[in-house]
Amino acid sequence: AQSVAQPEDQVNVAEGNPLTVKCTYSVSGNPYLFWYVQYPNRGLQFLLKYITGDNLVKGSYGFEAEFNKSQTSFHLKKPSALVSDSALYFCAVSSLSYNTDKLIFGTGTRLQVFP
Amino acid sequence: DAGITQSPRHKVTETGTPVTLRCHQTENHRYMYWYRQDPGHGLRLIHYSYGVKDTDKGEVSDGYSVSRSKTEDFLLTLESATSSQTSVYFCAISRQGGGETQYFGPGTRLLVL
Repeated sequence: AQSVAQPEDQVNVAEGNPLTVKCTYSVSGNPYLFWYVQYPNRGLQFLLKYITGDNLVKGSYGFEAEFNKSQTSFHLKKPSALVSDSALYFCAVSSLSYNTDKLIFGTGTRLQVFP
Repeated sequence: DAGITQSPRHKVTETGTPVTLRCHQTENHRYMYWYRQDPGHGLRLIHYSYGVKDTDKGEVSDGYSVSRSKTEDFLLTLESATSSQTSVYFCAISRQGGGETQYFGPGTRLLVL
């Protein structure tokens, strides 16, 4: 079975500092990996995805993520956090060996950026 | 929210009553999905559709049924609502399956008393 883990329920960071939101996955075969963000009382917004190719993926709002196959990780990063980045972040995975139509989501990490 | 609307946006109902949630898209995307979001669980797939009249189960499909009679509409029905189905329900769409990005609607907050 495929799964995804977000080991931190909450991440706190000061504005201007770099941020990292962690994600690890477990799938058979090659993964398709996604990051989404959810602002209060809104639906999820797509940030970025890794399907194949360059391990460093750049996405919306200055976010990027690095696919690390040996560590089965896909951590979300941003060089300089903004207060407006405060939100709930979800990592998700699917794979060809399971069913690429079905996304499995992590439990989410709440990012709090302090002024 | 990528041309996706959900109705109703909020609903309060009583245990044992039927409930139907509607997802409508204007993007002409082939795939549509229903998820529920609960604290501590993230989002979990209920059912999805890969074309008109073509549907498949997700990981939490018990107690739910779906129908898709035209490309733009995907209905989720709770035949007899239970308190455990209190949740926020999200619809999503994608152009194709197979790793295509899913785009989400604004959600429906359902409370079953």
